[in-house]
Amino acid sequence: EAQVTQNPRYLITVTGKKLTVTCSQNMNHEYMSWYRQDPGLGLRQIYYSMNVEVTDKGDVPEGYKVSRKEKRNFPLILESPSPNQTSLYFCASTWDGNNEQFFGPGTRLTVL
Amino acid sequence: QKEVEQNSGPLSVPEGAIASLNCTYSDRGSQSFFWYRQYSGKSPELIMSIYSNGDKEDGRFTAQLNKASQYVSLLIRDSQPSDSATYLCAVTSGGYQKVTFGIGTKLQVIP
Repeated sequence: EAQVTQNPRYLITVTGKKLTVTCSQNMNHEYMSWYRQDPGLGLRQIYYSMNVEVTDKGDVPEGYKVSRKEKRNFPLILESPSPNQTSLYFCASTWDGNNEQFFGPGTRLTVL
Repeated sequence: QKEVEQNSGPLSVPEGAIASLNCTYSDRGSQSFFWYRQYSGKSPELIMSIYSNGDKEDGRFTAQLNKASQYVSLLIRDSQPSDSATYLCAVTSGGYQKVTFGIGTKLQVIP
């Protein structure tokens, strides 16, 4: 089954404790993105990647890191999480920018 | 800052009516336009994509694009309670550089 998977689905952590949210797709997509979704603000792009080892900032990259060492994986790293990073996070992938994105199930992160 | 604007709603329509959802965008260079549906607590899923001016129909859904006026709309005919969700407008520009989403319009279909 073609899909985008994210782990964990739910995470409660404390300020400053480094964490990684994994994202993997099995559709051989070139492009992958991370978004956060907050009430009243909608989906905002954090980082995107156009291919292995090629990443770029989206609209809200501060406090986040990403890497793309393999085509299928695109982890999101929070080196020192803060409460303002409490949000619902989605990973997405697509063939190219002019096609639909396929979203993962989401990761609900709470930073205390 | 490229912007995509939607009325957050809620937009309430009776079952069987036509729901009309609108979206405007600021970047005249925008090339691809998408409507996603998102149920509460779930991930967005594609409803329609449209790339050129005019109408595109798929079942009960019609997307309309007017690049001169910089708006894109989604019509849902014969609205059903199962259509109750938030509808997100998304716009891409210049290839896969940045994808901008609107805040979404919450649609409520009243039985």
